[in-house]
Amino acid sequence: GDSVTQMEGPVTLSEEAFLTINCTYTATGYPSLFWYVQYPGEGLQLLLKATKADDKGSNKGFEATYRKETTSFHLEKGSVQVSDSAVYFCALSDQGNQGGKLIFGQGTELSVKP
Amino acid sequence: GAGVSQSPRYKVAKRGQDVALRCDPISGHVSLFWYQQALGQGPEFLTYFQNEAQLDKSGLPSDRFFAERPEGSVSTLKIQRTQQEDSAVYLCASSPIQGAGETQYFGPGTRLLVL
Repeated sequence: GDSVTQMEGPVTLSEEAFLTINCTYTATGYPSLFWYVQYPGEGLQLLLKATKADDKGSNKGFEATYRKETTSFHLEKGSVQVSDSAVYFCALSDQGNQGGKLIFGQGTELSVKP
Repeated sequence: GAGVSQSPRYKVAKRGQDVALRCDPISGHVSLFWYQQALGQGPEFLTYFQNEAQLDKSGLPSDRFFAERPEGSVSTLKIQRTQQEDSAVYLCASSPIQGAGETQYFGPGTRLLVL
């Protein structure tokens, strides 16, 4: 079945460091890919998404490119801030799944120190 | 505008007790999803509604779990005879239309602890 694998956390970075969180997926069809973020004490919210191969999603300085050949959707940010500390979830939604249910990775906790 | 709301935010139940968790989706949203999130894990799909029709319940872990959305808006997830392994955060999400590329908007979750 469909699945998502993320790099394990926690990831600890200093402010202004470069961030990469790896995400790879397995899907039978042509999925849409998402990054959701959960800030401390808040609910899940969409960070960015890409719906077809080679699309790049971007938001708040974060970006991720849908790579069909490597089945990956790695999240990157050039210069992280303390306020980026959160748990990041990679997810997919397969066209074959009725309604578009999301399949999530296990999450990667990011801690940014000043 | 108002987002997805869930109640109660926290629920402590004794093993064997029945619980009901409520979700108020964003007004006008057609699709509604329930997910279960264990501590330190990603959310896992439970069930999906399109309006009042429950089109996918493949993720419900047992017949003790039951969900409904009778008028196509508010939804209730009911767990009968709760067990300790039911302890988790239950998330509700809605989206304006159905489809794999559509953004889902999540509520804050209900944290259930079964003692």
